[in-house]
Amino acid sequence: AQSVTQLDSQVPVFEEAPVELRCNYSSSVSVYLFWYVQYPNQGLQLLLKYLSGSTLVESINGFEAEFNKSQTSFHLRKPSVHISDTAEYFCAVSSNRDDKIIFGKGTRLHILP
Amino acid sequence: GAGVSQSPSNKVTEKGKDVELRCDPISGHTALYWYRQRLGQGLEFLIYFQGNSAPDKSGLPSDRFSAERTGESVSTLTIQRTQQEDSAVYLCASSPSVISGTEAFFGQGTRLTVV
Repeated sequence: AQSVTQLDSQVPVFEEAPVELRCNYSSSVSVYLFWYVQYPNQGLQLLLKYLSGSTLVESINGFEAEFNKSQTSFHLRKPSVHISDTAEYFCAVSSNRDDKIIFGKGTRLHILP
Repeated sequence: GAGVSQSPSNKVTEKGKDVELRCDPISGHTALYWYRQRLGQGLEFLIYFQGNSAPDKSGLPSDRFSAERTGESVSTLTIQRTQQEDSAVYLCASSPSVISGTEAFFGQGTRLTVV
């Protein structure tokens, strides 16, 4: 069975500092990986996804994530955060064997002024 | 519709009453999910429908919870004899899972408050 672990429930970071939100997954088959973002009082929306090909994927607002098969990780990074990045971030996994998408518990990103 | 629609957006109910939450998925999406999100916590999987297959009910927390889906359209989540711990935002998502690797699209959720 697949699973997703987000080790950090909350991550405080100063504005304009870099951030990394960690995500590790467990699966015995090839996976598809996703990061979703939930801004305050809004629904979840897709931030970026990895299906195949280049292991580095980017979003339109400066976030990137790298698929690392040997470490079974898909960490989300941004070199310089903005106050508008305050949100909860969810990592998720699915596969071509089981399309059910499994979500992690989420990481709340706090941007400090 | 253009997106996943959930109704009502907010529901306040008295402890012990039954409630029914509705989800209209995106047209053509064969997969439908229900999640629960308690205040300050992450997503808790409840149930998954995939086409005509038997639903995955492994996440339902008790027999007070049930869900139905009519074909590949509307789904309802029913909570019987509501308790205060049922207070949460209930999120519905759908995906066109006939194509592997497609993401789930979420509704805005129903905020349930049990008083």
